[in-house]
Amino acid sequence: DAGVIQSPRHEVTEMGQEVTLRCKPISGHDYLFWYRQTMMRGLELLIYFNNNVPIDDSGMPEDRFSAKMPNASFSTLKIQPSEPRDSAVYFCASSFRTGGNEKLFFGSGTQLSVL
Amino acid sequence: GQSLEQPSEVTAVEGAIVQINCTYQTSGFYGLSWYQQHDGGAPTFLSYNALDGLEETGRFSSFLSRSDSYGYLLLQELQMKDSASYFCAVCMDTGRRALTFGSGTRLQVQP
Repeated sequence: DAGVIQSPRHEVTEMGQEVTLRCKPISGHDYLFWYRQTMMRGLELLIYFNNNVPIDDSGMPEDRFSAKMPNASFSTLKIQPSEPRDSAVYFCASSFRTGGNEKLFFGSGTQLSVL
Repeated sequence: GQSLEQPSEVTAVEGAIVQINCTYQTSGFYGLSWYQQHDGGAPTFLSYNALDGLEETGRFSSFLSRSDSYGYLLLQELQMKDSASYFCAVCMDTGRRALTFGSGTRLQVQP
């Protein structure tokens, strides 16, 4: 398996532009998570899905952020409009829950810079 | 409240043993996980403890004491490649099956 695949690897955009980040989870995994990582705030959970259904989006900073999972093999995180404070590394992760083991597989991340 | 505490930095020399501690406060608990992240890389899973005691995987071991809300990661025979950040993580409550990560411990291994 290729692991969790994220695109793009790097994104540089200007304030006010729309940004879409993409994620393909590992086949067969039933949970998908979006995390954001910054020096100041560390690794923060934004939203997670179970069987394509959003379960908890309480970590989404504000209405400018939205996430979808139209099928088991694809998810997007959209920021519209983007702001400089959104600059961070965005990670997608997936897992297959067996018992309580919380083993997440992370993608390589998208380094987002909003100028 | 709910929190995870771990030291921000640890320095050790090659061949040594280092222990990274983690204390947590949660309203529900499933287990304690550890992840490693190299600079510029993604977090990768190291270990998971659901029950009290020590779990060993090669040079790395992880310990959990549920009664003390405490765990640690033990790295033995340190190598330069072990220089990375190490995160402990827990599910913060029974209704939220997603990991909350600590702020991370940056380990620097010196020759």
